[in-house]
Amino acid sequence: GENVEQHPSTLSVQEGDSAVIKCTYSDSASNYFPWYKQELGKRPQLIIDIRSNVGEKKDQRIAVTLNKTAKHFSLHITETQPEDSAVYFCAASRGDDMRFGAGTRLTVKP
Amino acid sequence: NAGVTQTPKFQVLKTGQSMTLQCAQDMNHEYMSWYRQDPGMGLRLIHYSVGAGITDQGEVPNGYNVSRSTTEDFPLRLLSAAPSQTSVYFCASSYSRRVMGETQYFGPGTRLLVL
Repeated sequence: GENVEQHPSTLSVQEGDSAVIKCTYSDSASNYFPWYKQELGKRPQLIIDIRSNVGEKKDQRIAVTLNKTAKHFSLHITETQPEDSAVYFCAASRGDDMRFGAGTRLTVKP
Repeated sequence: NAGVTQTPKFQVLKTGQSMTLQCAQDMNHEYMSWYRQDPGMGLRLIHYSVGAGITDQGEVPNGYNVSRSTTEDFPLRLLSAAPSQTSVYFCASSYSRRVMGETQYFGPGTRLLVL
């Protein structure tokens, strides 16, 4: 089955700096790559996603890039704010089976 | 719309007991799934369903049963609880899974402690 690895496991940045989280996947047939944000004690919420027919997608301060050849995708957050502090999960799926990375705990210091 | 709801919010079980975690959605979603979340391991898929009467196993199905008799409900049954099943359980749903990716909505979670 699909295997998703996520790095780093923890990330600390200063407010206003950029943050980058990287994921690799093993199944070349995976075609959907969402990113979820989970605040402490809350449910995961989708923040951005990308499909395999697109190389990059941006939504305000958040962007995701996908490299199908290398089988990796990344989340970029610019101009970070304290409210961006949370655990971020990447995932990869083809059809019905979605696999998640282990998560990255992002801390934005004011 | 209430979205995806789960009950109970918190449950304590003794080893060997059985219980059912309830999940319901009111968005007429075809696809529903159950995940468990453990520290440092992300979310792992237990079982999923692509429609009423259809279920399939995910990454970690052992010790859990599911059924999907209606579009709205997707209960998860623990047949004989073990301490290794201590976790936070999330139910999720999406309109469909067969097209290229669909936004998945999560419930608020059930925190389970097995003693």
